[in-house]
Amino acid sequence: EAEVAQSPRYKITEKSQAVAFWCDPISGHATLYWYRQILGQGPELLVQFQDESVVDDSQLPKDRFSAERLKGVDSTLKIQPAELGDSAMYLCASSNIYEQYFGPGTRLTVT
Amino acid sequence: GDSVTQMEGPVTLSEEAFLTINCTYTATGYPSLFWYVQYPGEGLQLLLKATKADDKGSNKGFEATYRKETTSFHLEKGSVQVSDSAVYFCALSDGSGGSNYKLTFGKGTLLTVNP
Repeated sequence: EAEVAQSPRYKITEKSQAVAFWCDPISGHATLYWYRQILGQGPELLVQFQDESVVDDSQLPKDRFSAERLKGVDSTLKIQPAELGDSAMYLCASSNIYEQYFGPGTRLTVT
Repeated sequence: GDSVTQMEGPVTLSEEAFLTINCTYTATGYPSLFWYVQYPGEGLQLLLKATKADDKGSNKGFEATYRKETTSFHLEKGSVQVSDSAVYFCALSDGSGGSNYKLTFGKGTLLTVNP
């Protein structure tokens, strides 16, 4: 069964450092999402792509976060510089018209 | 904006007990409603969904009915098992039934089932 792949699974970084997460969606899924899940909360959308274009990035802190999906396949989410409040689970999802499929997530700890 | 409110957890039940997790929503349009489950160390999995009023979603013994009049989508299971222990998220998408729309999630409810 096809799955959404994410790496790394865990990342520890120091405050003010740069960090990047990678996501490989299910083949053929044109829509890709990055969500942030703070401990004890539900996921919140950061950015949504349709193919290589950004559809919604209204909740993305653009002063420090960036996301790209070159060629409309895999995607990278970057944080620079990381802050303590960025510690969270970062979830990637891709969808067909029936369902959003989530990857296992990257747990980020900023020290 | 859209929002989802779930009952506070954690919920602890004995095996074979009846489960209800309450979920209510606020949305401007006609949302689709979902329940997702997250097992420890894993990503979210779709449990069930309903795309219009009075629809009932069901899967693995879980059920939820889309109640437009009460803006609710409560999750129920008649007899829980230890393997049902997980975090359950209610969510909505303000789209026309498809899944190519962002999801708005509740805070999640931790369920623990004891043998």
